[in-house]
Amino acid sequence: ELKVEQNPLFLSMQEGKNYTIYCNYSTTSDRLYWYRQDPGKSLESLFVLLSNGAVKQEGRLMASLDTKARLSTLHITAAVHDLSATYFCAVDSGGGTSYGKLTFGQGTILTVHP
Amino acid sequence: NAGVMQNPRHLVRRRGQEARLRCSPMKGHSHVYWYRQLPEEGLKFMVYLQKENIIDESGMPKERFSAEFPKEGPSILRIQQVVRGDSAAYFCASSPRDRGYNEQFFGPGTRLTVL
Repeated sequence: ELKVEQNPLFLSMQEGKNYTIYCNYSTTSDRLYWYRQDPGKSLESLFVLLSNGAVKQEGRLMASLDTKARLSTLHITAAVHDLSATYFCAVDSGGGTSYGKLTFGQGTILTVHP
Repeated sequence: NAGVMQNPRHLVRRRGQEARLRCSPMKGHSHVYWYRQLPEEGLKFMVYLQKENIIDESGMPKERFSAEFPKEGPSILRIQQVVRGDSAAYFCASSPRDRGYNEQFFGPGTRLTVL
């Protein structure tokens, strides 16, 4: 059974600082997704990572994927308050008819304060 | 292009009643997924459907839960004889599945409260 683990689970950051969220998964996959969720809201797709070495950047967020290490990172640069949210990584473990089943990490609750 | 639509957004049921949750995928998407999010937890996969077919229901509880995606109309997640432990947010997602990968777009969720 695929397991996806994120750390840290709680992250309190000062504005302007940098930090990284880690996402480890237990079985081979080359499809990994990052989502953002604001309290009481739905999930917003941030990044789609589809191959080893993939790197995507959007604003102050950058995501990367190392399929050999089964590790993805979400790097936050010069954090601002608007980035406060819960961030989830999700791995597509399926193949054949199971393609499409996403397994989510526990989520990282990010709080950015002045 | 309207996003994934779910209704109702909030649903209150008493123990033993039935809950019906509806999901309309994005236009052009023919693949629907249901996930459940318990308080303070991540999302757990429940079921994956295409039109008139259940593709993967490995995450569905064995009893009381069923899902369908008819040829016409929205996908329905049905929970019979609800219990307090069914209280959660239920999210539907859809994908086009024509790009060789599976980016899923999520609806706003239905928050079910069982009294």
